[in-house]
Amino acid sequence: KAGVTQTPRYLIKTRGQQVTLSCSPISGHRSVSWYQQTPGQGLQFLFEYFSETQRNKGNFPGRFSGRQFSNSRSEMNVSTLELGDSALYLCASSLAGRQGAEQYFGPGTRLTVT
Amino acid sequence: AQTVTQSQPEMSVQEAETVTLSCTYDTSENNYYLFWYKQPPSRQMILVIRQEAYKQQNATENRFSVNFQKAAKSFSLKISDSQLGDTAMYFCAFMKYTNAGKSTFGDGTTLTVKP
Repeated sequence: KAGVTQTPRYLIKTRGQQVTLSCSPISGHRSVSWYQQTPGQGLQFLFEYFSETQRNKGNFPGRFSGRQFSNSRSEMNVSTLELGDSALYLCASSLAGRQGAEQYFGPGTRLTVT
Repeated sequence: AQTVTQSQPEMSVQEAETVTLSCTYDTSENNYYLFWYKQPPSRQMILVIRQEAYKQQNATENRFSVNFQKAAKSFSLKISDSQLGDTAMYFCAFMKYTNAGKSTFGDGTTLTVKP
């Protein structure tokens, strides 16, 4: 099976712009989660989608949003970018059941805001 | 809210030796999963081992094993016969049964295996 893929891998944006990141989960996985990884804050949970519904949301401002499509692919959007949004954004997919709680991570999208 | 603490920011070990990484967590939940993930330099995060809280037996995966002490809320990872490829950042993570898809991570331990 193909692993979790994320596009683009690298992105440079300017403050005030918006950005959309994409994630394709492992085939058959219906849960997609997003995390922000920074040296100062570590790995922080953004949100999780399951069957096109947001089930969990972390403590991030409303500028961070996401969605999931019927094929389980997910996108996250960050509007009005700030310098502090520079981070590695990781997507993870899972079966999300008792036998599939572990998450499989993509390579990440490295976002730099200048 | 759950918290996960990894008290060792950096560790090193000689090749072929054994090393133990510490993790403690705080939760009022009774049903949960614990994981160790490995993130090699500039490579993606992969699962090392998982433990379900209701299982008393410690999980093992080849050279990797855990010491799960539920009452003490401790979940340490032992790596035996360390290899150069084990050099990576290791994250301990917690997930409630009722919050599938949402993991809480520790700050990580950077492990360096020296030849």
